[in-house]
Amino acid sequence: AQSVTQLDSHVSVSEGTPVLLRCNYSSSYSPSLFWYVQHPNKGLQLLLKYTSAATLVKGINGFEAEFKKSETSFHLTKPSAHMSDAAEYFCVVSVGNNDMRFGAGTRLTVKP
Amino acid sequence: NAGVTQTPKFQVLKTGQSMTLQCAQDMNHEYMSWYRQDPGMGLRLIHYSVGAGITDQGEVPNGYNVSRSTTEDFPLRLLSAAPSQTSVYFCASSRRTGSKENQPQHFGDGTRLSIL
Repeated sequence: AQSVTQLDSHVSVSEGTPVLLRCNYSSSYSPSLFWYVQHPNKGLQLLLKYTSAATLVKGINGFEAEFKKSETSFHLTKPSAHMSDAAEYFCVVSVGNNDMRFGAGTRLTVKP
Repeated sequence: NAGVTQTPKFQVLKTGQSMTLQCAQDMNHEYMSWYRQDPGMGLRLIHYSVGAGITDQGEVPNGYNVSRSTTEDFPLRLLSAAPSQTSVYFCASSRRTGSKENQPQHFGDGTRLSIL
């Protein structure tokens, strides 16, 4: 069985400072990993995905994530936060058959 | 393309009432699914379908029915609404692949359902 733990329920940063959202996963097989973003009253939008190619994955809006098998982690980073980045972020693990398990989410607040 | 369209956006029901949440996609995706989102719990899979005529249960199927008569539509039915079903419901779709590499899902904007 696979599962995801997002280590922080809430992260607050100042505009222009780096963002780090942490995600650890558990999987019996080589997983596919995703990060999604959800803005208020909207559905989820794909930020990036890892599917066993390069371990450093670049996504939209300047986000990237690094797959570290030894640490079973898939942390999301961005060098410089923008006000528009304020949203809820979900880390997702999947092993075949579109069976996706979502983390509980991390709410990102960006202060001016 | 509209993507994934969910209706209604908001609904209030009384305990015991029934209703159907509609979901339609125009991307010719084989795979469709329904999730519920509750605070602090992420999204949990209710039911999914890998193609017309094929459905299966997810993590939290009790109290919900689905059918898939066409590729485009995947309605979710609440047979007898209970307060525990108050939630935000999301429909999603994706291409189906024969490999273990999973395709990202496309989500609708959600249906906010309150059961009194």
